[in-house]
Amino acid sequence: DIQMTQSPSSLSASVGDRVTITCRASQDIRNDLGWYQQKPGKAPKRLIYATSSLQSGVPSRFSGSGSGTEFTLTISGLQPEDFATYYCLQHNTFPYTFGQGTNLEIK
Amino acid sequence: QVQLVESGGGLVKPGGSLRLSCAASGFTFENHYMSWIRQAPGKGLEWLSYISTTSGFTKYADSVKGRFTISRDNAKNSLYLQMNSLKVEDTAVYYCARDLNTPGYWGQGTLVTVSS
Repeated sequence: DIQMTQSPSSLSASVGDRVTITCRASQDIRNDLGWYQQKPGKAPKRLIYATSSLQSGVPSRFSGSGSGTEFTLTISGLQPEDFATYYCLQHNTFPYTFGQGTNLEIK
Repeated sequence: QVQLVESGGGLVKPGGSLRLSCAASGFTFENHYMSWIRQAPGKGLEWLSYISTTSGFTKYADSVKGRFTISRDNAKNSLYLQMNSLKVEDTAVYYCARDLNTPGYWGQGTLVTVSS
């Protein structure tokens, strides 16, 4: 199975900050990676697909980059509603696997 | 608008069975691969299984292979997950999701609790 190592596992930041979350794949997954935001009690919400394509309706402060084995999600100018848990997902090889999550908290 | 609504969760004893359903609306169900993904309480996400548009192809994670069966009824716009030989570690919220490449549509989830 492809392991997705997501870091950091938790992150404290302030409104207005720029934060970066990283996912490393245990093998080349090309650009078959997406990012989700999840709030307590809710289903995950797609933010980014195909590494860097922004989901319609998602603010442009969210961006994704990378290829191969290293990928990043950047949030530029944190807003109060962005405090949540974030997951990456590889869909290159089944079983599709998620990173372990990054809990983004208010500092 | 696209809607996915899961049902069938509940409390079941270890070794028991449960069948989850996912009712789809707002899109042409028969044109889309469908999946089941779960999340144990306070834990991360685990992709369990997917099924092709005509049910001709299915895939399972090792953790559920041989115990869970995914199926669909395109005439009823419904997806199913038959879960047998349930274990305590199968306790989770189970989501259905549309498409394979970073699914953009998920249901609200249904909670399955396996406990004696």
